[in-house]
This record gives sequence, structure tokens and C-alpha cells, in this order.
Amino acid sequence: DIQMTQSPSSLSASVGDRVTITCQASQDISNYLNWYQQKPGKAPKLLIYDASNLETGVPSRFSGSGSGTDFTFTISSLQPEDIATYYCQQYDNLPPLFGPGTKVDIK
Amino acid sequence: EVQLVESGGGLVKPGGSLRLSCAASGFTFSSYSMNWVRQAPGKGLEWVSSISSSSSYIYYADSVKGRFTISRDNAKNSLYLQMNSLRAEDTAVYYCARDSQAAYYDILTGYVHVGVFDYWGQGTLVTVSS
Repeated sequence: DIQMTQSPSSLSASVGDRVTITCQASQDISNYLNWYQQKPGKAPKLLIYDASNLETGVPSRFSGSGSGTDFTFTISSLQPEDIATYYCQQYDNLPPLFGPGTKVDIK
Repeated sequence: EVQLVESGGGLVKPGGSLRLSCAASGFTFSSYSMNWVRQAPGKGLEWVSSISSSSSYIYYADSVKGRFTISRDNAKNSLYLQMNSLRAEDTAVYYCARDSQAAYYDILTGYVHVGVFDYWGQGTLVTVSS
């Protein structure tokens, strides 16, 4: 199976800061990579699909990039409502696998 | 508005069975692949199973293969997960999730692409404990 890693596992940043999360796949997954946001006690929400496509209705401060094995997720200006855990997820092959998550909070 | 509402969770003893349901509304259910994804308490997300729009293609995680059965009733706009031989490690919140893209088999790589989960239910908690 493909393995997914994320870093950091958690981070603390100030409102307005640029936040970057990286995701690495154990093999080439092309651009079959999605990013989700999960707030405490809530279901996950799709933010980015196919590595860099913003899901409809998602604020433009969220973005994604990368292909192959290395991917980046960025919040250009952190807002209080962005406090959540962020997961990458590959779907290049079965099973679709989520990364371990990155918990983001406000400093 | 797309809505997915899970039900059927609860407390069950190890070795027991449970059937989860997911009622869909706000979209043409019969046109979409559907999935179950679970999350153990305090842990990350784990895909469990996928079923294509017409039930022609069904996939399972190795951890549940042979014990869980996914099914759907397009006339009732409903998705199901029959869970048998439950174990403590099956304790989790179970989410149903719509797949925005039809699963497809890449003939060049032999890979099956499943999993752009664009809508999720609120989840139903399954606790396996004696």
C-alpha cells in the first residue's frame, strides 16, 4: 500500500500568518491528492482536490500544489475559523489513504 | 442542499453485528459512488468501503474484508453497511461520504481510482465493548 506522511503533526500560528503543511507519498501518485479540513466534533470537509483544485465555495486563502510524491497545502492568511486538523488523502490506488493529520491552532 | 444522515450506531459486544444506514437527499443518489469512512476516537480517518452507483463495483479495506458488507438501495436513496464479527478495534465514528468522481480502473497502471469525498454525513458512533 501507498504510505502517506504529513508534517508538521501540529503547529501554532498567529492570525494573518501564512501556514504551510507538507504531505509526502511513498510512491508517485501523480496529482491524485486531496486535502480535507476537520473541525472538532465535525465531519471532514473537502478543500482541495487533485492536488491544486479549490473545491467550490472554499475561500481562496486555501491552496494546494505539488505532484508525484511531494505536496504542499497553504493557508495564505490564517483566520480564527481555520482552527482544525488538516488531512491529505491519496486516491491513486486502493485503498484511498489519509495522512495522519496536522493540527492547526492559534498562537 | 446535499444531505447525508447516518443512523444505526450503538453499543455492541465483540463478535456482534450492527447495520448502519445513510439516508441521502438533495442530489441524484443513483448517479454517485458512495463510501464509508471511519474515525476511531482521537485518531485519524480510515476509508472502509466503496460502492459504485449501480453496485457493480465494491471495494473494502483489508481490515474489514470478509466481515463488513456495503450495499445500497437507489430507490430508497440509501446506503448501508452490514458489520459482522465486530471487534474492539472497529470502535469508531462511521461517516458516509459521497464520491464526486466515479471510480475508474486505469488499464495502463492497473490502479483503481476511488475517493474524492465531497460530501459527508455527521457520523454515527459504533462502540464495540463487553
